[in-house]
Amino acid sequence: QSVLTQPPSASGTPGQRVTISCSGSSSNIGSNTVNWYQQLPGTAPKLLIYSNNQRPSGVPDRFSGSKSGTSASLAISGLQSEDEADYYCAAWDDSLVVFGGGTKLTVL
Amino acid sequence: QVQLQESGPGLVKPSQTLSLTCTVSGGSISSGSYYWSWIRQPAGKGLEWIGRIYTSGSTNYNPSLKSRVTISVDTSKNQFSLKLSSVTAADTAVYYCARDKGWPSYYFDYWGQGTLVTVSS
Repeated sequence: QSVLTQPPSASGTPGQRVTISCSGSSSNIGSNTVNWYQQLPGTAPKLLIYSNNQRPSGVPDRFSGSKSGTSASLAISGLQSEDEADYYCAAWDDSLVVFGGGTKLTVL
Repeated sequence: QVQLQESGPGLVKPSQTLSLTCTVSGGSISSGSYYWSWIRQPAGKGLEWIGRIYTSGSTNYNPSLKSRVTISVDTSKNQFSLKLSSVTAADTAVYYCARDKGWPSYYFDYWGQGTLVTVSS
């Protein structure tokens, strides 16, 4: 069981906006920043959002992140077929990095 | 462009020690204020952080693995390594190395492609 809680699955149609939630506690999300990773099938994870809402160079602005209290969210607008992937949230927790269990996003 | 590449045996016997090396190219492992981390992912499951090392040699380990993990760095070879002792089938996973920003954001911005390690007799 993961320290951070994510829904196991999410879905949307092309062009839609979808959000993925990540719930934690005061020791992780509540007191540290949240990062999001995208893992396309058969590949290594890729940094998608860091420090709650910052996008690395090259990440489309369709991807955005937010944090409030002990929860965080990843939003994807203008959903595209290439966004079909697993998404993981992560944060520092006392003495280690903890991850969410991952959300499998399906583009219908 | 920083690149990371994992290497090591793909098959390890139960009770033995898993040893992997990550070679960093496109930049010095000693430059910038970065840590270097190991992360693993069992097939069909989520990500688990194993631990990190700074080029000074300072380390942090996941408490759940701390008694079995050693991470070391060789700056002359631009490499860092993972040793996991007393392995069982539960340690079968894809192992990734990654560059770790550390405090305060703790994000992994560059990843290796991953290497599958199977624990089996």
